[in-house]
Amino acid sequence: SQKIEQNSEALNIQEGKTATLTCNYTNYSPAYLQWYRQDPGRGPVFLLLIRENEKEKRKERLKVTFDTTLKQSLFHITASQPADSATYLCAHYSSASKIIFGSGTRLSIRP
Amino acid sequence: EAQVTQNPRYLITVTGKKLTVTCSQNMNHEYMSWYRQDPGLGLRQIYYSMNVEVTDKGDVPEGYKVSRKEKRNFPLILESPSPNQTSLYFCASSLRTGSALGSYNSPLHFGNGTRLTVT
Repeated sequence: SQKIEQNSEALNIQEGKTATLTCNYTNYSPAYLQWYRQDPGRGPVFLLLIRENEKEKRKERLKVTFDTTLKQSLFHITASQPADSATYLCAHYSSASKIIFGSGTRLSIRP
Repeated sequence: EAQVTQNPRYLITVTGKKLTVTCSQNMNHEYMSWYRQDPGLGLRQIYYSMNVEVTDKGDVPEGYKVSRKEKRNFPLILESPSPNQTSLYFCASSLRTGSALGSYNSPLHFGNGTRLTVT
């Protein structure tokens, strides 16, 4: 079955450094991957989408890469700030009606 | 402001007492869906709706009902809640999904969640 995996361990980094989160997928080749941010007790918020024919996508301090050979997407936050602390989810549509989410990686940025 | 509105935000109830969680979106989205989120299990889809009067089961539909009589509303009904339905629930909508080129990428817009406790 299609599976999308994220490192479930929390990531703690120093303010100002680049945070890198990983999303791996197995048993399929998604045409798109989406990234969401979720704050505690709140609904996920869409951040970025990357297509399989795009190597890289940027939005302000965010960058997403998509490596179809490694079956992996990386999500980078440059010049990280404490306000970036949240859980980040990757997701993709497995069919017209269903979007599969990874379990998310909790990111903590310490001042 | 474009949004998905869920009510209530918090709900404590007892086993067997029917309840409804409302969800409304103001973006004219065709697709709506309900998820539950539990520690260690991530987001799991309960039911979804591709359009008015079209609903179908997700991964964990047991114990839940939905209806889609109007495009904007997609209520979640628990006819006889049980303690294992204690969870954080999210409603979401997106512009459209389908087999047409370009539609497998519509981002989901989520509500702010309903934390349900069943004792």
